[in-house]
Amino acid sequence: GAVVSQHPSRVICKSGTSVKIECRSLDFQATTMFWYRQFPKQSLMLMATSNEGSKATYEQGVEKDKFLINHASLTLSTLTVTSAHPEDSSFYICSARALGQNTEAFFGQGTRLTVV
Amino acid sequence: GIQVEQSPPDLILQEGANSTLRCNFSDSVNNLQWFHQNPWGQLINLFYIPSGTKQNGRLSATTVATERYSLLYISSSQTTDSGVYFCAVSDNQGGKLIFGQGTELSVKP
Repeated sequence: GAVVSQHPSRVICKSGTSVKIECRSLDFQATTMFWYRQFPKQSLMLMATSNEGSKATYEQGVEKDKFLINHASLTLSTLTVTSAHPEDSSFYICSARALGQNTEAFFGQGTRLTVV
Repeated sequence: GIQVEQSPPDLILQEGANSTLRCNFSDSVNNLQWFHQNPWGQLINLFYIPSGTKQNGRLSATTVATERYSLLYISSSQTTDSGVYFCAVSDNQGGKLIFGQGTELSVKP
């Protein structure tokens, strides 16, 4: 299957700082990528849809000024958690689908963020 | 929005046993996928199955789109099958995947 690479896999940062997470589709082009958050023992919750060359679409309740998404190319999307606080500590995971809507989605390895 | 329900929420099996996991969804979908989340959080693609039946080794899946459910079968379970199994569906708007709450499977030796 297709490969989606996400970095870093684990990050610890101080409260008030910003953290950038990268998501790359290695062997296919993705006009759309998706960012999810998962708290312990819970399911994946969609945060936003990242569209190449345009603004991201955020799900209800997700602060767009706090979670900045940039989709600069067909193979790269970034999520920046700005002014991180301990309650932002979570597992963040990205997903990408090949061009065309009815295609299989593949996921990155995830990033475990701890804000201290 | 579309709702996805998985059952059972938890399942404990003895090694070698078979199991069936169910996924119900509330509206028509154009994509349905099953995943296994390993202990490190990685989502492993099991099946892309918006309709029909597929098999891959000891695993198989069936989706009956008209009745809005999908089943994942695990035969001759092994301890390495332990983890959380997620069903996720895509509605007809934007292609985003909506996840069920998962089934946590524990296979005992």
